[in-house]
Amino acid sequence: QQQVKQSPQSLIVQKGGISIINCAYENTAFDYFPWYQQFPGKGPALLIAIRPDVSEKKEGRFTISFNKSAKQFSLHIMDSQPGDSATNFCAARVGGGNQFYFGTGTSLTVIP
Amino acid sequence: EAGVAQSPRYKIIEKRQSVAFWCNPISGHATLYWYQQILGQGPKLLIQFQNNGVVDDSQLPKDRFSAERLKGVDSTLKIQPAKLEDSAVYLCASSLGVGSPLHFGNGTRLTVT
Repeated sequence: QQQVKQSPQSLIVQKGGISIINCAYENTAFDYFPWYQQFPGKGPALLIAIRPDVSEKKEGRFTISFNKSAKQFSLHIMDSQPGDSATNFCAARVGGGNQFYFGTGTSLTVIP
Repeated sequence: EAGVAQSPRYKIIEKRQSVAFWCNPISGHATLYWYQQILGQGPKLLIQFQNNGVVDDSQLPKDRFSAERLKGVDSTLKIQPAKLEDSAVYLCASSLGVGSPLHFGNGTRLTVT
């Protein structure tokens, strides 16, 4: 059973455009929602994260929007650059146990 | 700060053979995780250690997979015997503890032929 559902599977965006990736969950025990970025041959690296007590978090070109009632959260990449081309994963953590569950990933390609 | 170290980077074995992977977490990180990442999918948690005790191994196929964390630092993950469907990248991650983010190694790519 997939604990965190992610879409789209792949995304192609023009340089300077906005990339949007969505995730949804059911488990109300999740208390922390990070996004990870993975380049080929590398392990995932933390991009940005949010806790459910806020609706939005922005760090540079990256923004997480969080809708607690809908159990959905999304990653927005503003002014997308070719260097952003990677696979992005949303994740969710079970409160208290520090177990992390990952979405299936979105392959992002930014065209120059 | 040195990152999570994993070895080997690549391993090719035949089905029914055994294989072992090694992980050295970031110094001071109490929690260590092993994830399996099949091509085109997200990482799937296999086992989580807190110091040298197991916190969660509910998704570890215990008939063929085993893991240990020696003295609460390094860890090894073993598969015996391997199956074709075990072909994947095995990622090790560590964190300071509850409330801290994960730090991943670059993984071991296993191919079972």
